[in-house]
Amino acid sequence: EAGVAQSPRYKIIEKRQSVAFWCNPISGHATLYWYQQILGQGPKLLIQFQNNGVVDDSQLPKDRFSAERLKGVDSTLKIQPAKLEDSAVYLCASSQDRGELFFGEGSRLTVL
Amino acid sequence: DQQVKQNSPSLSVQEGRISILNCDYTNSMFDYFLWYKKYPAEGPTFLISISSIKDKNEDGRFTVFLNKSAKHLSLHIVPSQPGDSAVYFCAASVPAAGNKLTFGGGTRVLVKP
Repeated sequence: EAGVAQSPRYKIIEKRQSVAFWCNPISGHATLYWYQQILGQGPKLLIQFQNNGVVDDSQLPKDRFSAERLKGVDSTLKIQPAKLEDSAVYLCASSQDRGELFFGEGSRLTVL
Repeated sequence: DQQVKQNSPSLSVQEGRISILNCDYTNSMFDYFLWYKKYPAEGPTFLISISSIKDKNEDGRFTVFLNKSAKHLSLHIVPSQPGDSAVYFCAASVPAAGNKLTFGGGTRVLVKP
């Protein structure tokens, strides 16, 4: 069974530029999550989708971050404009209704 | 407001000995707890979980203990192996409220040969 796919693996941008990350969840998983992991900290939830609807985006900085999950499968996370403090690993995860989350390898963003 | 805390940022243990990782939580609504393991440049991988109706769950070398009254859980790895060297994250959820995980800050484990 294929795991959660993410791209790109690494991205370096200047502050105020924009960036987009893509995620393809495990087939059949209705729930998709984006987490931000800053170096030395645990992952922090940014947004949770159930099919193509948003369940929780309370910790998403909506002035600069946006996410969508068209057709209830793939998802993209966009940052525009990026700030230095957005440097982190962006982790996508998926799950069935209950139980553990399955994570992708992450997309490491460096903002200069 | 850190609802899940791992107070030990690192742990060093000799191969073959026991590793004990601790985790505390503050939200009494949490009723499902998980441990994830993370190697560098990889995503976290699920290790073991426990429901609040249990106080112990065992899977091979890994055992998780839950003390609900103390809002404390621990992960025991026996015996520790060099391949166990990784960062371990404790996580908690309220499955009825959407299954999202709240993570602790992680504990880096180094198993010395």
